[in-house]
Amino acid sequence: GQNIDQPTEMTATEGAIVQINCTYQTSGFNGLFWYQQHAGEAPTFLSYNVLDGLEEKGRFSSFLSRSKGYSYLLLKELQMKDSASYLCAVRENDMRFGAGTRLTVKP
Amino acid sequence: DTGVSQDPRHKITKRGQNVTFRCDPISEHNRLYWYRQTLGQGPEFLTYFQNEAQLEKSRLLSDRFSAERPKGSFSTLEIQRTEQGDSAMYLCASSSKGRQEGNEQFFGPGTRLTVL
Repeated sequence: GQNIDQPTEMTATEGAIVQINCTYQTSGFNGLFWYQQHAGEAPTFLSYNVLDGLEEKGRFSSFLSRSKGYSYLLLKELQMKDSASYLCAVRENDMRFGAGTRLTVKP
Repeated sequence: DTGVSQDPRHKITKRGQNVTFRCDPISEHNRLYWYRQTLGQGPEFLTYFQNEAQLEKSRLLSDRFSAERPKGSFSTLEIQRTEQGDSAMYLCASSSKGRQEGNEQFFGPGTRLTVL
């Protein structure tokens, strides 16, 4: 079987830092992706990890531990526009998505 | 070509009718994916093409669903004898083998299907 688990909802304050965790159990692994999805819109690519460690891209960073089946997405200096769902996805031959974490950024 | 396009954006149909959706991927992308997404859930994989070959199809996919990509460019997804449970957003994505970013998928805007 295959499970990708992430929290359903999170709330944070503008300007703060938030960490969204993702754990996965898959039969194969060929990379982990994070996508952002605003309500009513298509997902857009944020980050990709295939090796253990931290990948930084501006205000967004993503971490992977393959041995633990664990990743997190770190968002710094939160802005109101960061309110969205954040989807963790694992690629085997195809892509499997978690249900998403709905982040609300409050002033 | 500025991105993945899908047509129509919205479709309302009566139960039992057939519907067909179209996806035009980014022109240089050889991989094309179909997903279904319902409210509060992540996209659910349906099927995947590399060029014109359909390489994988979800075991959850009913035989009422069929997808084609006859010339390795655009793709169609047909749902026969629609049911109310088919109501969802149908997303298409494309990617290119060999990109540095791990071949991330670029999503189209989706087709929202409502079955009455």
